[in-house]
Amino acid sequence: AQSVTQLGSHVSVSEGALVLLRCNYSSSVPPYLFWYVQYPNQGLQLLLKYTSAATLVKGINGFEAEFKKSETSFHLTKPSAHMSDAAEYFCAVSDDGTSYDKVIFGPGTSLSVIP
Amino acid sequence: EAQVTQNPRYLITVTGKKLTVTCSQNMNHEYMSWYRQDPGLGLRQIYYSMNVEVTDKGDVPEGYKVSRKEKRNFPLILESPSPNQTSLYFCASSLKTGPYNEQFFGPGTRLTVL
Repeated sequence: AQSVTQLGSHVSVSEGALVLLRCNYSSSVPPYLFWYVQYPNQGLQLLLKYTSAATLVKGINGFEAEFKKSETSFHLTKPSAHMSDAAEYFCAVSDDGTSYDKVIFGPGTSLSVIP
Repeated sequence: EAQVTQNPRYLITVTGKKLTVTCSQNMNHEYMSWYRQDPGLGLRQIYYSMNVEVTDKGDVPEGYKVSRKEKRNFPLILESPSPNQTSLYFCASSLKTGPYNEQFFGPGTRLTVL
């Protein structure tokens, strides 16, 4: 079965600084990978997804993620943090071992942006 | 507006008092799912449904029931709630099953069981 780890349950960055949120997955086959964002008191929404078309995936709000098969990683980055980026971020991976293509979510990383 | 709605948004109840959390989507999605979110654990799937009258257990189904009588609705039922079911619950839907499909989430229901 798949698993997802997110290094750092909480990350703080200064406004304008680089955002780097880490995600590693376990998989024996190329997976589908997702990043979701949860703003305070809201449901999750999709930031971006990797479906094997390109290793560098661009998402909404200036975020991007790079799929690195050799490192089994899918880290999320944004060149310059904005106050509005403060949220919880979840990495997710498709589970290839089930009959209905289940998605496994990581534990989440809470991003704080310091003015 | 395309959306997933959940009601109620907040609920405080007592142990053993049956409750239902409703979920409805207006996007004609086939796949619907319930998750619970707990600190440090991310989202864990409770139940899912691939279409009308087709439901199955997720990772943490104990103490929960679901039904899918109509395509748009997928209620979550707690027959006899217990304090360990205090959590934040999300309903989600996607157009079809498949590993690449984006899930659309409702706003969440915060449940407290005393």
